[in-house]
Amino acid sequence: GENVEQHPSTLSVQEGDSAVIKCTYSDSASNYFPWYKQELGKRPQLIIDIRSNVGEKKDQRIAVTLNKTAKHFSLHITETQPEDSAVYFCAAIGTGGADGLTFGKGTHLIIQP
Amino acid sequence: DGGITQSPKYLFRKEGQNVTLSCEQNLNHDAMYWYRQDPGQGLRLIYYSQIVNDFQKGDIAEGYSVSREKKESFPLTVTSAQKNPTAFYLCASSYGWSTEAFFGQGTRLTVV
Repeated sequence: GENVEQHPSTLSVQEGDSAVIKCTYSDSASNYFPWYKQELGKRPQLIIDIRSNVGEKKDQRIAVTLNKTAKHFSLHITETQPEDSAVYFCAAIGTGGADGLTFGKGTHLIIQP
Repeated sequence: DGGITQSPKYLFRKEGQNVTLSCEQNLNHDAMYWYRQDPGQGLRLIYYSQIVNDFQKGDIAEGYSVSREKKESFPLTVTSAQKNPTAFYLCASSYGWSTEAFFGQGTRLTVV
């Protein structure tokens, strides 16, 4: 089945700086890669996703890049703000939903004032 | 009000008892998932279902059981065979396998 590794487990950045979270996946058949944000005490919510036919996708301060050859994808947050503090999860799923939607272990992003 | 609903929010059970967690969605989603969330472990997949009357084991299915008799409902039973059942359980649903998954608010199960 799919295995998703996520790094780092904790990331502390100064407000206004950029943050990068990286994930690798094992199943070359995986072709959908969402990122979720979970604030303390709340449910995870999708912030951005990318499909395997695209190398990069942006939405305002958030971007995701995908390298299919190396089987890794990354989340980039620019101009970080206090409200970006949360736990971020990457995930992957293969063609036809085989093995279900598999998540990484999460990154706790801390924005320092 | 559309969405995915889990109940109850908090659940306490004695060791050795089976307990069933409810998950209902009115989004007309085909796929539904159950995850367990422990500190530092991320979201671990217990069971998932892509269609009514069909479901598959995830990474940590031992000690759990599910049913999918209706499209809207995907209840999870935590059996006495689950050695460490105290955890936060999240249900999710999506229209298809490669579309956004929406999560319920979760059920925190404590076994004493």
